[in-house]
Amino acid sequence: NAGVMQNPRHLVRRRGQEARLRCSPMKGHSHVYWYRQLPEEGLKFMVYLQKENIIDESGMPKERFSAEFPKEGPSILRIQQVVRGDSAAYFCASSPQGNGNTIYFGEGSWLTVV
Amino acid sequence: KQEVTQIPAALSVPEGENLVLNCSFTDSAIYNLQWFRQDPGKGLTSLLLIQSSQREQTSGRLNASLDKSSGRSTLYIAASQPGDSATYLCAGEIQGAQKLVFGQGTRLTINP
Repeated sequence: NAGVMQNPRHLVRRRGQEARLRCSPMKGHSHVYWYRQLPEEGLKFMVYLQKENIIDESGMPKERFSAEFPKEGPSILRIQQVVRGDSAAYFCASSPQGNGNTIYFGEGSWLTVV
Repeated sequence: KQEVTQIPAALSVPEGENLVLNCSFTDSAIYNLQWFRQDPGKGLTSLLLIQSSQREQTSGRLNASLDKSSGRSTLYIAASQPGDSATYLCAGEIQGAQKLVFGQGTRLTINP
């Protein structure tokens, strides 16, 4: 059973470009979470999705960021018009159900904006 | 607003020692608490999950406890080894919110 798969692992974008980060949850997991780890800071919750639904996006910046988890395919975190402050590690996690279950994290996608 | 604090921020001990990492949280309405390990440039590995009705969990040389009334959790590592060197993160799941609030982590170095 493969773990949570994220790609790309490393991504370099120029300011103003778009970044797309993909996450395939563990097999059988229908709950996906995205977290961001800024340099020298802790992990912060961004968004929680189930298939085709955004359940909680309270941690997402109001502009330029969006997330989806379609019926088929991976979850996508999309950052439009990236700025230097978006440089961070973006972690995806999945769980089979919601509250009370172990959450499994992927290896992360490291975004560098130059 | 739930806040999670980990003390110390960094710890360096010789191999073989037993050690305790501390985690405190401000809101006792925490649903469960999870300890993770993060190696440099890597993702998080779940170590122990203490669910709402539990007080502690054990896995091998690791033991984690949770005291909701005092807002504290501890991770005990017995007979530490150089391979235990990593950053240890605790995270509380907010009741009804299904999201984790992380501490800043304790960077642990075990010296051979």
